[in-house]
Amino acid sequence: GAGVSQSPSNKVTEKGKDVELRCDPISGHTALYWYRQSLGQGLEFLIYFQGNSAPDKSGLPSDRFSAERTGGSVSTLTIQRTQQEDSAVYLCASSFGRGENSPLHFGNGTRLTVT
Amino acid sequence: AQKITQTQPGMFVQEKEAVTLDCTYDTSDPSYGLFWYKQPSSGEMIFLIYQGSYDQQNATEGRYSLNFQKARKSANLVISASQLGDSAMYFCAMRERQGAQKLVFGQGTRLTINP
Repeated sequence: GAGVSQSPSNKVTEKGKDVELRCDPISGHTALYWYRQSLGQGLEFLIYFQGNSAPDKSGLPSDRFSAERTGGSVSTLTIQRTQQEDSAVYLCASSFGRGENSPLHFGNGTRLTVT
Repeated sequence: AQKITQTQPGMFVQEKEAVTLDCTYDTSDPSYGLFWYKQPSSGEMIFLIYQGSYDQQNATEGRYSLNFQKARKSANLVISASQLGDSAMYFCAMRERQGAQKLVFGQGTRLTINP
């Protein structure tokens, strides 16, 4: 079946511009996550959506970052007024449930470069 | 707060040898799940193996096994008969039943298999 789909795969933008990153999770998965991975680093949690519950935004690094999930499916991560330190790979993941035994399935990521 | 520690930034192993990648964790939740992911140079995150905190036996998946020592809070990944294709970054991660539900990752270990 189809996995987690992210678009675009690469995005180059100028400092100060806004960007939108899209994630289409696996059908039927109720949980959706966004992570950020800087070069050679681990994964930094950004935000988590579970069903109709309020999202966990505790990992968003600043108010320039926001995300929404429409209809419990597709999610968009928006970064306003991009800065060079925002350059990273943004990974989306989904899982079937919220239990501690549910593995996350990741997309291939969006590589964001801010010039 | 949950925390994952991987103390080996890099490992070099001869092909066909077994290798152990270390992972220790910290949590106050009695119910949690431990995961290992592989990230090849292509960047995709591949789920390898899962261990639940109440599982009595160590998890195994093909050449992968998890050496789970609950009292020591360690969850080491063992790869038997290593292959050149095993060269990648490996991440240990944990998800608690309570609290934020997010999957928290360690910093990773870069494994290189030499022919």
